[in-house]
Amino acid sequence: GAVVSQHPSRVICKSGTSVKIECRSLDFQATTMFWYRQFPKQSLMLMATSNEGSKATYEQGVEKDKFLINHASLTLSTLTVTSAHPEDSSFYICSAIARALSLTGGYTFGSGTRLTVV
Amino acid sequence: DAKTTQPNSMESNEEEPVHLPCNHSTISGTDYIHWYRQLPSQGPEYVIHGLTSNVNNRMASLAIAEDRKSSTLILHRATLRDAAVYYCIPSRQGGKLIFGQGTELSVKP
Repeated sequence: GAVVSQHPSRVICKSGTSVKIECRSLDFQATTMFWYRQFPKQSLMLMATSNEGSKATYEQGVEKDKFLINHASLTLSTLTVTSAHPEDSSFYICSAIARALSLTGGYTFGSGTRLTVV
Repeated sequence: DAKTTQPNSMESNEEEPVHLPCNHSTISGTDYIHWYRQLPSQGPEYVIHGLTSNVNNRMASLAIAEDRKSSTLILHRATLRDAAVYYCIPSRQGGKLIFGQGTELSVKP
């Protein structure tokens, strides 16, 4: 079935540095990918939607210059957290939609990346 | 985006059926009803989805009200591995999935 690989699963970085998170669709072409963040004991919050070859669409309140999203191919999207600060520490999750909607309704989620900024 | 209302938490006994309700009174006519679940520190896992008719798969059943303003996820025999947060999400096909607060299901042995 459709598999989305997210890497790294955990990352610790120093305040002020940038961190890149990768999201790959392994066995399907993803026309659209979504990025979420989740704080402890809270629900997932959609950050942005990215379509292959075009600029990402950010949700209200999400800083596009801080959270850089690149969707350069049908199988890879990246989220770069620039100049990370402790308040950016969170669980980041990607999701991808298959070109051909599958039995799962088309959406597949990665396993998430735990970012800790120290 | 359609608003959803789910109980914050529910409890079940192992081996018993569980009915997880969801109200989505502002659902659009073209919105599918998706159900996902999430274990701690993991990405959401697909459970089931449907449009108008009731749906069954190996994990669960989805009962959709005739007016589509509510739905119920049915786990026929809860196991300890079913303990998770369950999210009901109306969304058009290929659209954004906006997560609400979900229902935290605990399963007692």
